[in-house]
Amino acid sequence: QITLKESGPTLVKPTQTLTLTCTFSGFSLSTSGVGVGWIRQPPGKALEWLALIYWDDDKRYSPSLKSRLTITKDTSKNQVVLTMTNMDPVDTATYYCAHVERTLEYYFDYWGQGTLVTVSS
Amino acid sequence: EIVLTQSPATLSLSPGERATLSCRASQSVSSYLAWYQQKPGQAPRLLIYDASNRATGIPARFSGSGSGTDFTLTISSLEPEDFAVYYCQQRSNWPPGYTFGQGTKLEIK
Repeated sequence: QITLKESGPTLVKPTQTLTLTCTFSGFSLSTSGVGVGWIRQPPGKALEWLALIYWDDDKRYSPSLKSRLTITKDTSKNQVVLTMTNMDPVDTATYYCAHVERTLEYYFDYWGQGTLVTVSS
Repeated sequence: EIVLTQSPATLSLSPGERATLSCRASQSVSSYLAWYQQKPGQAPRLLIYDASNRATGIPARFSGSGSGTDFTLTISSLEPEDFAVYYCQQRSNWPPGYTFGQGTKLEIK
């Protein structure tokens, strides 16, 4: 079955760069029609899509955060990495990674448990 | 950027009642709209995709409708486990990406 798990620091200081890793199983990012995305959720607030990478290395970013985000994949390790530069307290949120595939029209059908990242000095 | 507006913000109903949640897009998204359910401390769960298709394992009491800019999620008869926050989400080819609505909290009356 498909599983995803996020990992990374729980606390970062303002202006630092955040690096999060999504480690997954049950699918391959070398399979046509597959992708992995990142979504975040500040405490008590709504979901916000951040970025997505497809099997063919095509990448999509949220327009409002594009300048701060980089998404990459390591197919051999079954991992996707998201980096976000210049972190600010407003970036405090639970960060999720999620699976998409063509057969389900690229909606987020499997999610990780999420990892809470706090930005504070 | 396409904005999704959900209403109401909070919906108070009793088990057994019918729930109707709305999602309006700032411009047409065709049928590229999904609904998710999120319970406290959990990741969201995909309920409906492409406006009206139930995801795998989703009970038949959940249904979606609409196209263009106006969409509805209906829960025909509420079960205790249905009380949660619901989000709509659109995916667009141009500009490419995804947007979520601000959510509707479905609470027990």
